[in-house]
Amino acid sequence: NAGVTQTPKFRVLKTGQSMTLLCAQDMNHEYMYWYRQDPGMGLRLIHYSVGEGTTAKGEVPDGYNVSRLKKQNFLLGLESAAPSQTSVYFCASTGWGGDTEAFFGQGTRLTVV
Amino acid sequence: AQSVAQPEDQVNVAEGNPLTVKCTYSVSGNPYLFWYVQYPNRGLQFLLKYITGDNLVKGSYGFEAEFNKSQTSFHLKKPSALVSDSALYFCAVRDWLSGGGADGLTFGKGTHLIIQP
Repeated sequence: NAGVTQTPKFRVLKTGQSMTLLCAQDMNHEYMYWYRQDPGMGLRLIHYSVGEGTTAKGEVPDGYNVSRLKKQNFLLGLESAAPSQTSVYFCASTGWGGDTEAFFGQGTRLTVV
Repeated sequence: AQSVAQPEDQVNVAEGNPLTVKCTYSVSGNPYLFWYVQYPNRGLQFLLKYITGDNLVKGSYGFEAEFNKSQTSFHLKKPSALVSDSALYFCAVRDWLSGGGADGLTFGKGTHLIIQP
């Protein structure tokens, strides 16, 4: 059982380039999330989805877009990368219910130069 | 709005000694509380959670946490630390009133736990 899988694991972008991070989960979870982790800042929510075809903004959504065309996949897009988007990105998923724990992917380390 | 504070950036403990990693929270309603651990270059792994009931909850790898409603705290503890416990620990909260948890967890900034041999 793979759980939550993120691709790619590492990426270097030039300022202004675009890219898409893919998150896939095989637990039939309804909710999926994208977080970014920066030193001393903990994890901050970028966007989330409560089901196929739905997305919503989190705490730090600017500069990112997301899509959830299939229940098992949640894509995070950067249309025009900026150095401030250098970070480690984590995808997570949970089942329905506030008392359920989140399962995390292994992360994508993105550097924008 | 919900928030989590982990007042210590780093905690140093000698192997075999008890450890405590502190967490305080703020929510409008009743909290769902979680602890996660992150090893280098890995994602977060779930350790334990408090939903309701007994204030002392037990989790993975011998960790436990005590919920204290009056002090709005949820400190992580372990009776005897191992070098392999060295990692980054995150406390997280979800407000029960947010309903379904759809808007995600709010995390603390993390505490580096260093266990010295």
